[in-house]
Amino acid sequence: AQSVAQPEDQVNVAEGNPLTVKCTYSVSGNPYLFWYVQYPNRGLQFLLKYITGDNLVKGSYGFEAEFNKSQTSFHLKKPSALVSDSALYFCAVRDGGFQKLVFGTGTRLLVSP
Amino acid sequence: DAGITQSPRHKVTETGTPVTLRCHQTENHRYMYWYRQDPGHGLRLIHYSYGVKDTDKGEVSDGYSVSRSKTEDFLLTLESATSSQTSVYFCAISESMDSSEAFFGQGTRLTVV
Repeated sequence: AQSVAQPEDQVNVAEGNPLTVKCTYSVSGNPYLFWYVQYPNRGLQFLLKYITGDNLVKGSYGFEAEFNKSQTSFHLKKPSALVSDSALYFCAVRDGGFQKLVFGTGTRLLVSP
Repeated sequence: DAGITQSPRHKVTETGTPVTLRCHQTENHRYMYWYRQDPGHGLRLIHYSYGVKDTDKGEVSDGYSVSRSKTEDFLLTLESATSSQTSVYFCAISESMDSSEAFFGQGTRLTVV
């Protein structure tokens, strides 16, 4: 079965510093990987996806993610964090057909002023 | 935001009663999904639909049923609510079964007392 792991429950970073939210995956075949963000009392918002092609994927709000096949990782990054980036971030992998997603447990990002 | 409306947004119900949650979309997307979100588990797939009257089970389908009589509506029914079904429920839609991302509704917070 496909799975993703988010090893950090929380990441703390100061505003203006680079941020990384980690995700590792376990799949059979080629992975379809996604990052979503959830703000308080809201649904999930799509940030970016890796299907194939360049290992560096650019997404919404200045986020990017690096796909690393040898390390089975898909870490989310941003060069300069904003306080407004504080939210819950989920990594996900497509499981079989029909765009069914398997989610990680989530990482809470706190950006301090 | 994608045109997805979940109703109700909040509900408190008693153990043993049936409950129906509604997801309505205006995007004419073929694929619809119900997930539940619980701390420490991320989101887990309950049921999904790949067309009118075409549905299938997800990872945590026990105690839940679904129906889709129209493209735009996907109903989730808790046949006899239990306290373990206290959760936040999210509906999602996607346009294709291939690489397109899923879009999520704002969620329904259900409390079973």
